[in-house]
Parts: sequence; C-alpha cells; structure tokens
Amino acid sequence: DTAVSQTPKYLVTQMGNDKSIKCEQNLGHDTMYWYKQDSKKFLKIMFSYNNKELIINETVPNRFSPKSPDKAHLNLHINSLELGDSAVYFCASSQEGRPFTDTQYFGPGTRLTVL
Amino acid sequence: AQSVTQLDSQVPVFEEAPVELRCNYSSSVSVYLFWYVQYPNQGLQLLLKYLSGSTLVKGINGFEAEFNKSQTSFHLRKPSVHISDTAEYFCAVSKASYDKVIFGPGTSLSVIP
Repeated sequence: DTAVSQTPKYLVTQMGNDKSIKCEQNLGHDTMYWYKQDSKKFLKIMFSYNNKELIINETVPNRFSPKSPDKAHLNLHINSLELGDSAVYFCASSQEGRPFTDTQYFGPGTRLTVL
Repeated sequence: AQSVTQLDSQVPVFEEAPVELRCNYSSSVSVYLFWYVQYPNQGLQLLLKYLSGSTLVKGINGFEAEFNKSQTSFHLRKPSVHISDTAEYFCAVSKASYDKVIFGPGTSLSVIP
C-alpha cells in the first residue's frame, strides 16, 4: 500500500495552461504539505494544511491554489503556467500538527515540465 | 532567519569506506534537526532526527548523527557505505516558534564500487 501517492507522476504542458496535481495519504495523518524542488534539488515548502485548514502559505504566486476536500487529500491547482514553474512537486504528510518536530512522509513526486 | 548549510554538494566515496556529510545551521535558540534521504526518482524519507536528549542519534540503514550545539552542527556519518546508499541527503532544521522545516541544499552521495 502506498502511504502518500501523487498523480500524475509526469506532467508536460504548454505555458499559459491550467493544471492540477492530486495527492492522497492513507496514513491517517492530520497535516499535509506541498513542496517544490527545483532543478538544483533545492526543496522549499509552499503550503501546509492541518485538518483541512491552511496553516502555512509561503510567498507563492496566487496562481497556485491548494485545495483540501478532506484531511486525506491535498490537491494543487496551478493557473497560467509559466516556464519557471517547471520543477518536481512533492506532497508530504505528518501525523500531528507540529511540523517542527513531526516526521514527514513524502510522496514520489510529480515532475512538471512547462514548454 | 533560519538557515542550513551543507558545505559539500557532492561526496564520492568508495564502497565500504566511511563517510561524513556535513551540516551546519544558524540559530541562537533551541532547534530540532533532521536528516532526510532521497533515492533516485523517489520522495524523501527520514533517516533520523534530533529533538532532545542524547546528542548522538542513531537512524535507519546504519546512519548516525551527532548534535554539537557549540559548533551548531549536525553531521551525518556511516562507518561503511554500500552502493545502495547512493542518494541525495538533506539536512533540515526547525524550531518550536516555527511552523515549518527548513531544508538545506542537499549533498549528493555517490558510492563507487
């Protein structure tokens, strides 16, 4: 059983398009995250939700909108894609709402390529 | 602001040799420290973490790390590496007043047969 799953694994699209990435965790965790990993492997948090409530919203363009229909799912919608959005996006989850001490469980990543 | 430095971007090492991956952080208050590993084309997984107590922390796959408050370091070590340890290793830091974990830039460990 995959603990944290993401779809799709690869996403290739044109500039200006709108796309979504889905994430699901079956660990029963309360907190979920989205991270962006750039081409130099630098990993930066974008958003965090705890029990469907937004708790972290980094300085991410408002073209990025997370949605959490329930605490097992955290989807990422991106409007008007730009070249600089090309990256690997990781979803993660942790058991409790203490990101500063919790172990985070990561999904396999979604490689987004914007042409 | 909190920051994490991993001085070595790439570390090649022969199989069965020991390895140390360096991590330094900047903070004047108590911190929590993590090492995560990312195998090729996979997500990250936790190797070990320091929250409190003994400064020597043992993790999975034979790795250990030592928290040194005076040197603000949390170096990762393994006495004998295997080919399967080839991966990207990320040091990360957080603190109680923070609601997130800050990741370092990563160190790419390549184990040479």
